[in-house]
Amino acid sequence: DAGVIQSPRHEVTEMGQEVTLRCKPISGHDYLFWYRQTMMRGLELLIYFNNNVPIDDSGMPEDRFSAKMPNASFSTLKIQPSEPRDSAVYFCASSPGTKLYEQYFGPGTRLTVT
Amino acid sequence: SQQGEEDPQALSIQEGENATMNCSYKTSINNLQWYRQNSGRGLVHLILIRSNEREKHSGRLRVTLDTSKKSSSLLITASRAADTASYFCATDPNTGNQFYFGTGTSLTVIP
Repeated sequence: DAGVIQSPRHEVTEMGQEVTLRCKPISGHDYLFWYRQTMMRGLELLIYFNNNVPIDDSGMPEDRFSAKMPNASFSTLKIQPSEPRDSAVYFCASSPGTKLYEQYFGPGTRLTVT
Repeated sequence: SQQGEEDPQALSIQEGENATMNCSYKTSINNLQWYRQNSGRGLVHLILIRSNEREKHSGRLRVTLDTSKKSSSLLITASRAADTASYFCATDPNTGNQFYFGTGTSLTVIP
């Protein structure tokens, strides 16, 4: 298996633009997580899905952020409009289950909003 | 916050020495995991310890868990330059299905 795949790996955009981050989880994993990592705030859970259904989106910072999982092999995290404070590394992770299972992380997308 | 906190924030040791990192958390947990993150990469799972376990080993890694003190430690023995990375604990509170990651310890192993 290729592991969790994220695209793009790097994204530079101007303030106000729409940004879409993509994730392909490991086949057979029922859980998908989106995280944001910054120096100031560390690794924050934004949202997670179980069987394509959003379970907890309490970590989504504001309405500018939205996430979807139209099928078991694809998820997107969208920021519209983007702001400089959204600059961070965004990780997607998948897991075959909860609690007793490890999470498998993708390589991350480094987002820079100028 | 349910987030764990690692201590120290940064650690620098010579190759061959042992490295110890600590994690403290606030709420009761089911399990605790340790992850490693190399610079510019995603996190990689190292080891999971359940709340009813006190110690676990995996190769050069030794993890302890003290639920009464709400703390865990990760010991890396005979460190190598390749162990240079950030190490995070992730706690799994009794409610919900997500893990909460700590702030991380940045380990530098000097060859």
